[in-house]
Amino acid sequence: DQQVKQNSPSLSVQEGRISILNCDYTNSMFDYFLWYKKYPAEGPTFLISISSIKDKNEDGRFTVFLNKSAKHLSLHIVPSQPGDSAVYFCAASAQGGSEKLVFGKGTKLTVNP
Amino acid sequence: DGGITQSPKYLFRKEGQNVTLSCEQNLNHDAMYWYRQDPGQGLRLIYYSQIVNDFQKGDIAEGYSVSREKKESFPLTVTSAQKNPTAFYLCAVGDPWSNQPQHFGDGTRLSIL
Repeated sequence: DQQVKQNSPSLSVQEGRISILNCDYTNSMFDYFLWYKKYPAEGPTFLISISSIKDKNEDGRFTVFLNKSAKHLSLHIVPSQPGDSAVYFCAASAQGGSEKLVFGKGTKLTVNP
Repeated sequence: DGGITQSPKYLFRKEGQNVTLSCEQNLNHDAMYWYRQDPGQGLRLIYYSQIVNDFQKGDIAEGYSVSREKKESFPLTVTSAQKNPTAFYLCAVGDPWSNQPQHFGDGTRLSIL
């Protein structure tokens, strides 16, 4: 049973517009959430995280929103750039740290010039 | 990520052979992790180790073995018992007792000849 779900396998946006990537989870014990960016044949790169005590975390063009009641988080990229084109993975852990991350299947973002 | 070295980048194995994937880190992180990625799938945890000489099974440990004799090294052996070993293998490091993300190496792609 998938505990972390990214229901959109792909997303295409125009350069300069907002990209919104979504993630849903089922385990109410998850208390730490992360987004990773991955290029083909490379390891994932950490982008941004959020603890369950917050509902928003911002880092430059990247903002993560957490809705605990809906068990939903989203990553906003504004403005989107062609270099943002990659696969984005949502991940979650249940012990307040980087212990035993559970990953979604990823969303492939394409930013068109 | 700088400081996490996975080798080799590409590895080929004949049916029935064991093969060992290397992961070395100089970031002084206590915990090390092995994940497997298949096409269109998220990352799945194989094994992890929080301290030298100790390791735990992840979600898909069957057909794999590990050792943690040194803090810097966490080799993964893919045994002949692993029925579908062709995949992209990723090593990560982290500190499980803090709210810090895991960081990944660049991965090893294993293929069956």
